[in-house]
Amino acid sequence: VQLVESGGGVVQPGRSLRLSCTASGFTFRNFFMHWVRQAPGKGLEWVALMSDEGSDKHYADSLKGRFTISRDNSKNTLYLQMNSLRAEDTAVYYCARRSRSCFPLCYYYMDVWGKGTAVTVTS
Amino acid sequence: DIQMTQSPSSLSASVGDRVTITCRASQSISGYLNWYQQKPGKPPKLLMYAASNLQGGVPSRFSGGGSGTDFALTISSLQPEDFATYFCQQSYNVPYSFGQGTKLEIK
Repeated sequence: VQLVESGGGVVQPGRSLRLSCTASGFTFRNFFMHWVRQAPGKGLEWVALMSDEGSDKHYADSLKGRFTISRDNSKNTLYLQMNSLRAEDTAVYYCARRSRSCFPLCYYYMDVWGKGTAVTVTS
Repeated sequence: DIQMTQSPSSLSASVGDRVTITCRASQSISGYLNWYQQKPGKPPKLLMYAASNLQGGVPSRFSGGGSGTDFALTISSLQPEDFATYFCQQSYNVPYSFGQGTKLEIK
């Protein structure tokens, strides 16, 4: 079971970047997926969530309109399109799998994480 | 949006100590609370879900409890590998949110 992020790098303010997260070892199409980021020396910030079939998306309020989550289940890949990047978007971006346990209410958690991809926004 | 507040922000302890980290939600989240451990340069690792359920492979010295707005993570006897940063996270509703983290350091 593995998630591997890619697509990070150094980008100028105002530019765009698309991150990818490729899954292996599990049935990707059966799971909701998250993006979470962590600015240097800071805590974890939830970014976005996408449903298993891609019909349902949720975003952090501060990112709505600039970031778009998507997925291609035929490629076992999750994406994060980031537009109009700002210095404060500088962070390591992680993708994480959402799993659940039901007894009988269902509880959700992030049980598999990638190693992250670093994004630096600087002029 | 639900705000998560952890205390303390940092904690110094010795091997063998019992430590407790608390997490408070700005509104009731029932038992929708997860705990993660993160070591420098590594991704977070799930420790506990639904407030008190140990993730597979996590040592039994870790325990969790609480419901509503107040939660706690306890390590019964600290081991050298437990020195790390711990985060709580609510999964009650979106936008999901994390606590600011508690850095557990060696005394």
